[in-house]
Amino acid sequence: NAGVMQNPRHLVRRRGQEARLRCSPMKGHSHVYWYRQLPEEGLKFMVYLQKENIIDESGMPKERFSAEFPKEGPSILRIQQVVRGDSAAYFCASSPGPEDTQYFGPGTRLTVL
Amino acid sequence: ELKVEQNPLFLSMQEGKNYTIYCNYSTTSDRLYWYRQDPGKSLESLFVLLSNGAVKQEGRLMASLDTKARLSTLHITAAVHDLSATYFCAVDIGGNNDMRFGAGTRLTVKP
Repeated sequence: NAGVMQNPRHLVRRRGQEARLRCSPMKGHSHVYWYRQLPEEGLKFMVYLQKENIIDESGMPKERFSAEFPKEGPSILRIQQVVRGDSAAYFCASSPGPEDTQYFGPGTRLTVL
Repeated sequence: ELKVEQNPLFLSMQEGKNYTIYCNYSTTSDRLYWYRQDPGKSLESLFVLLSNGAVKQEGRLMASLDTKARLSTLHITAAVHDLSATYFCAVDIGGNNDMRFGAGTRLTVKP
């Protein structure tokens, strides 16, 4: 059983461009979580999704950031008009149910030039 | 506002020594996680503590949870270099796997 997969692993964007980060949960997992880790800091929760639904987006910035988890395909975290402050590692985790342990992907490291 | 505080944030130990990392949190929760993160890597789940008084051990690491004190500890026994990593605690605040993480404790074990 493959683990949580994220791609790309590294992403470089110039200010003003869009960044799309993908997360494929483990097989059988329908709950996906996105976290952001700024350099030298801990993880910060961004959003929790279950197939086609956003359950909790309390950690998402109100502008430029959006997330989806369609019925088919990976979850996507989309950042529009990136700024330097968006440079961070973005981790996705998945779980089979709302009370099960989350398993983390390898992360996508976004660098904004 | 929910706070999850770890201390110390930086810890340098000699091999063979014992030490404890603390995780305090400010809201009611009966589910707490400990993770390990190596530089540039993702998080590895170490322990899940599900009830007051829970204690779990794996190798040189032992974790405990006191939900009344809102405190978890991660105890390191006879540290070895391979334990060098950053350790995060995370608290499930909503019973819906809605987790909040501590800032992490960066552990360095020196020969």
